[in-house]
Amino acid sequence: QVQLVQSGAEVKKPGASVKVSCKASGFSFTNYDINWVRQAPGQGLEWMGWMNAKSGNTGYAQSFQGRVTMTRDISISTAYMVLSSLSSEDTAVYYCARAPPLELELRYWGPGTLVTVSS
Amino acid sequence: SYELTQSPSVSVSPGQTATITCSGNALSNQYAYWYQQKPGQAPVLVLSKDSERPSGIPERFSGSSSDTTVTLTISGVQAEDEAEYYCQAADSSALHVLFGGGTKLTVV
Repeated sequence: QVQLVQSGAEVKKPGASVKVSCKASGFSFTNYDINWVRQAPGQGLEWMGWMNAKSGNTGYAQSFQGRVTMTRDISISTAYMVLSSLSSEDTAVYYCARAPPLELELRYWGPGTLVTVSS
Repeated sequence: SYELTQSPSVSVSPGQTATITCSGNALSNQYAYWYQQKPGQAPVLVLSKDSERPSGIPERFSGSSSDTTVTLTISGVQAEDEAEYYCQAADSSALHVLFGGGTKLTVV
């Protein structure tokens, strides 16, 4: 069965960077895009960007341009999202989700990773 | 900037029909997707490409599209349908993806 397993919760100080991983299983990793979506406490969903797992091509939301990097390691079917220059406003649950290439349908989601930014 | 607008809340009694709308200019030429999210859980896709129901989603969930508005309809609402519902679509350039602000469905 399709599974996306994410790394554990993180606590970071303002100005630091965080790296969240998303390990895929149950499907051919390179046949899909991995999207990242975050949700601040009590708030709605915010799309961060996508990465094609085969080519590594990426597209980032304008609000995260210059601060987010999405990569992958095909050998271990794992996608990564690095967010830098963290502030308290980046405190959120970060989700990875699978989509068909260049499509929006997020049928499978990871459980989420809580990132807390606090001094 | 591009936006998807949802009403903040909808309240219905069990067995009634709930209608949740999402408005945005790009919806006239972009598909919309709908997600259900319950507290503490990841979102679940309930409708794809305006009206396609993924396997495992009950038939009471349906969708439609008209010009710049898409609609999620839940017929015969059950208590388990109480959740936040989000629409999702790309902008006209298809380069950027947005979620609506979410609609809280309360089953009273």
